[in-house]
Amino acid sequence: ILNVEQSPQSLHVQEGDSTNFTCSFPSSNFYALHWYRWETAKSPEALFVMTLNGDEKKKGRISATLNTKEGYSYLYIKGSQPEDSATYLCAFFRGNLIFGKGTKLSVKP
Amino acid sequence: GAGVSQTPSNKVTEKGKYVELRCDPISGHTALYWYRQSLGQGPEFLIYFQGTGAADDSGLPNDRFFAVRPEGSVSTLKIQRTERGDSAVYLCASSRSFQETQYFGPGTRLLVL
Repeated sequence: ILNVEQSPQSLHVQEGDSTNFTCSFPSSNFYALHWYRWETAKSPEALFVMTLNGDEKKKGRISATLNTKEGYSYLYIKGSQPEDSATYLCAFFRGNLIFGKGTKLSVKP
Repeated sequence: GAGVSQTPSNKVTEKGKYVELRCDPISGHTALYWYRQSLGQGPEFLIYFQGTGAADDSGLPNDRFFAVRPEGSVSTLKIQRTERGDSAVYLCASSRSFQETQYFGPGTRLLVL
């Protein structure tokens, strides 16, 4: 059974704090890792698709790194804003997406 | 451009009833996926279509669940004899082709009483 683990389960930070969370996945037969942001009552929004070991991707204040050899990816948010409050999901691609349970981020103004 | 749309957005039904959930993918996307998210879990794969055919239906939990995509665009997920455990958010996603970014709809929240 393929397992994708995310930590922490939830995170509460103050506006302006920088934060990061972890996604761990099987390191064998790697194809791609996807990151999504899911705000309540909205569609999950694609953030990054990462395919190569050592990949670093950036979108505004959000960035992600990938280590396929050890099976982990980090998502970083610099200077968190209240609008960053959402659940962040990572998903391992193996023909279909295998999701972790997500990290729920709350940013207090 | 228009994103993935799903109808209805919410559905309340009684145990034993039949329900249909609809997904309109992004125009031109050949790949279409259904996922289900139960409370406290991440989305779980149900079925993947490439064009009109179901390329992988290994995630369907049992034979009460069935999905079609007759013209390679709109898809319908059908659930027979619903059970309380079927209550979940049903998500649809589409992509230009296999392995590319999947774009999700807002989901259908199904509640079986």
